[in-house]
Amino acid sequence: KAGVTQTPRYLIKTRGQQVTLSCSPISGHRSVSWYQQTPGQGLQFLFEYFSETQRNKGNFPGRFSGRQFSNSRSEMNVSTLELGDSALYLCASSLSGQGSTDTQYFGPGTRLTVL
Amino acid sequence: AQSVTQPDIHITVSEGASLELRCNYSYGATPYLFWYVQSPGQGLQLLLKYFSGDTLVQGIKGFEAEFKRSQSSFNLRKPSVHWSDAAEYFCAVGASDYKLSFGAGTTVTVRA
Repeated sequence: KAGVTQTPRYLIKTRGQQVTLSCSPISGHRSVSWYQQTPGQGLQFLFEYFSETQRNKGNFPGRFSGRQFSNSRSEMNVSTLELGDSALYLCASSLSGQGSTDTQYFGPGTRLTVL
Repeated sequence: AQSVTQPDIHITVSEGASLELRCNYSYGATPYLFWYVQSPGQGLQLLLKYFSGDTLVQGIKGFEAEFKRSQSSFNLRKPSVHWSDAAEYFCAVGASDYKLSFGAGTTVTVRA
């Protein structure tokens, strides 16, 4: 069974632009979560989706948004990029989405660099 | 709210020596605990998890972890380290709010 896939793997943008990252969960998984990883802040939760509904959102500005499609694939969008948005963005999927007591499996991440 | 502390930022260990990584959690209810490993430029790979039952949990790559409720700890151990174990290790706690809370991570360096 294929793992979590994320596209693109690397992305370079300039300040003020917007970006969309994509995540395809493991087949059969219905919950998708997004995390931001930076050297200074570590791993921080962005949001979680289950059956196209956002069930929780981390402490990030409104420039960060996401959505989930009926096939469980998910996208996240960052508008008006800032230098501080440079990070590794990780997507994780879980089978049943029973809270985060369900095991989350991570993709390889998308490395975003903002110049 | 739940939180995780990994007291050691960096550990250096000789190949063949034992390894122990510390993790302390804070959570009011029964915790769901995880250890993940991350190689440079890669995503997170699950090593093991604890939900309930036996407090000594076996994982992949020869790792094990012990849950101690009285000490709010979930330390990761490996009896004999291989050079390929050099990586960053993250402890995480899961709750009913659909998110994982991670510790800051411990970087493990393996010397020959």
